Amino acid sequence: DGGITQSPKYLFRKEGQNVTLSCEQNLNHDAMYWYRQDPGQGLRLIYYSQIVNDFQKGDIAEGYSVSREKKESFPLTVTSAQKNPTAFYLCASSIPSHGDYEQYFGPGTRLTVT
Amino acid sequence: AQTVTQSQPEMSVQEAETVTLSCTYDTSENNYYLFWYKQPPSRQMILVIRQEAYKQQNATENRFSVNFQKAAKSFSLKISDSQLGDTAMYFCAFMISNTGTASKLTFGTGTRLQVTL
Repeated sequence: DGGITQSPKYLFRKEGQNVTLSCEQNLNHDAMYWYRQDPGQGLRLIYYSQIVNDFQKGDIAEGYSVSREKKESFPLTVTSAQKNPTAFYLCASSIPSHGDYEQYFGPGTRLTVT
Repeated sequence: AQTVTQSQPEMSVQEAETVTLSCTYDTSENNYYLFWYKQPPSRQMILVIRQEAYKQQNATENRFSVNFQKAAKSFSLKISDSQLGDTAMYFCAFMISNTGTASKLTFGTGTRLQVTL
């Protein structure tokens, strides 16, 4: 079955540590996205990637970094510079080159930093 | 910048009844898409329905339909014959239409819908 996987579902880290969230898709989608969700707020875009080896900052990129070395993978690193890293993180993908603008979401990772 | 506003934080509806969720947006763009996403307790985001701004006809998907008023920048979701499985957070979202390129979704703050017996 095609889809997007995010692992792990729950992640715990100590303050001051970097942590990398995994996102893998086998949908053959060109574009991938990372969103952050906080209670009482909608999703906000962190980074997105149009194609391999290319990525762009979203609205709240500070304290985060990404890489896109493979089409299938778009890992997100939450650095110690991110002031409030505890949140629910969602990865998504789409294939805009085919005129399909729907974004397909993974199941998300809940990150807790203490 | 685009903004999306959902003014109803919570709503409740009885099973088999009809409910309408409101959404307004602000943009200076002419070509865009609007979406309603559902997020059940599992937190998986599921697309419910989408509307292309250039289409005058309102989109429908089974029990879900929208009332798209472009001039008023309004995009409400109507759920008919509500079912217990419709209980979820519902997010309205906006996307600029950039031909062939990735484009971000701008989300509202969501409406929590509870379907009761």
